Amino acid sequence: DVKVTQSSRYLVKRTGEKVFLECVQDMDHENMFWYRQDPGLGLRLIYFSYDVKMKEKGDIPEGYSVSREKKERFSLILESASTNQTSMYLCASSVLYEQYFGPGTRLTVT
Amino acid sequence: ILNVEQSPQSLHVQEGDSTNFTCSFPSSNFYALHWYRWETAKSPEALFVMTLNGDEKKKGRISATLNTKEGYSYLYIKGSQPEDSATYLCACPNSGGYQKVTFGTGTKLQVIP
Repeated sequence: DVKVTQSSRYLVKRTGEKVFLECVQDMDHENMFWYRQDPGLGLRLIYFSYDVKMKEKGDIPEGYSVSREKKERFSLILESASTNQTSMYLCASSVLYEQYFGPGTRLTVT
Repeated sequence: ILNVEQSPQSLHVQEGDSTNFTCSFPSSNFYALHWYRWETAKSPEALFVMTLNGDEKKKGRISATLNTKEGYSYLYIKGSQPEDSATYLCACPNSGGYQKVTFGTGTKLQVIP
């Protein structure tokens, strides 16, 4: 059973803070993804990684960065949180294009 | 970015009613289509992966069909139950590899007891 975990279910941060969202998967998948989900907009890809230390921008990378130092761990970093980054953040890993999701982190930036 | 669309955006049905909704996608360079169910407070979970034109998959009361020539897939729920309430997402792989997919915006289903 694939397990993808995320460090927090709920997070409240202030504008300007640096925010780290952590994701860990236990199935040795090479590919990992960060999405945000907003009402009416569906899941939008922020960044993805296809190997350790490798990363690619998704569709909405502005204001975010990522880190993948170990195969099982993929971190999303908000360099300076802003209110328009208030959202649900989902991490996923995949094999054969099937995505396995974490439980999500609902981030509120005040 | 692939254009993957779902309709309707939301749906309310009475318990016991059957319902269906649509995912449309570009028919050229089709590789696969995935359906996911996303219940409130849970992670999205895979329902079906469909690859061949005419594919029909079934899991309990939920089934899905695929038409790759015209670029659509239908998801059917027979005799809806309150536990079917969820957002249903479809996704198609992008060209260019890296396991990237594009998701539709989802259909939010609410089954009223």
